[in-house]
Amino acid sequence: AQKITQTQPGMFVQEKEAVTLDCTYDTSDPSYGLFWYKQPSSGEMIFLIYQGSYDQQNATEGRYSLNFQKARKSANLVISASQLGDSAMYFCAMRPLISSGSARQLTFGSGTQLTVLP
Amino acid sequence: GAVVSQHPSRVICKSGTSVKIECRSLDFQATTMFWYRQFPKQSLMLMATSNEGSKATYEQGVEKDKFLINHASLTLSTLTVTSAHPEDSSFYICSARSWGHGANVLTFGAGSRLTVL
Repeated sequence: AQKITQTQPGMFVQEKEAVTLDCTYDTSDPSYGLFWYKQPSSGEMIFLIYQGSYDQQNATEGRYSLNFQKARKSANLVISASQLGDSAMYFCAMRPLISSGSARQLTFGSGTQLTVLP
Repeated sequence: GAVVSQHPSRVICKSGTSVKIECRSLDFQATTMFWYRQFPKQSLMLMATSNEGSKATYEQGVEKDKFLINHASLTLSTLTVTSAHPEDSSFYICSARSWGHGANVLTFGAGSRLTVL
């Protein structure tokens, strides 16, 4: 079984500053993938960044980076130079890379509502 | 990048009627699509996995007769909420896997907000 924990229901950050959204996970799978999605108020889920458990380097995508600490089972999202448009709900998710069937589906955390202040 | 189109984005219906939601992969083929449900301020819960050419796989606790899923082609999956009731009001969102960023990534549709009166 997999479990994703996001302990911050809400976060505030000043525009142009960096912010870290926490995510910890629990899994017995030897190989897994970690994802971050952004959900603005419109509802669509926007893929931000991916980290494989076997990746040696932390993933980066523009202003997004993933602080992956495998021993601690954490995959925090760092957003640099926050913009007003970054205000949204952010979900951390994971799935095993080896299992089959429904066990390979994404498990989502409870989400963090980020508000960027002008 | 991969695009998943979902329609309608909003629907209001009377209790007892059925509502169909379509999910299309626009520029790629998807033998498997996924249907999620999301209550306000909560996370996404997987309802079922839609398989092209075969029966959908439902998650535990999801009524297959209430939520009919049909995956008629490699680019289209539909979710029909049958005999809808107010408790079925929710945000339904579909997704499909596509390759990008060095991994199989779930691409989501924009979601469908169902309100049952």
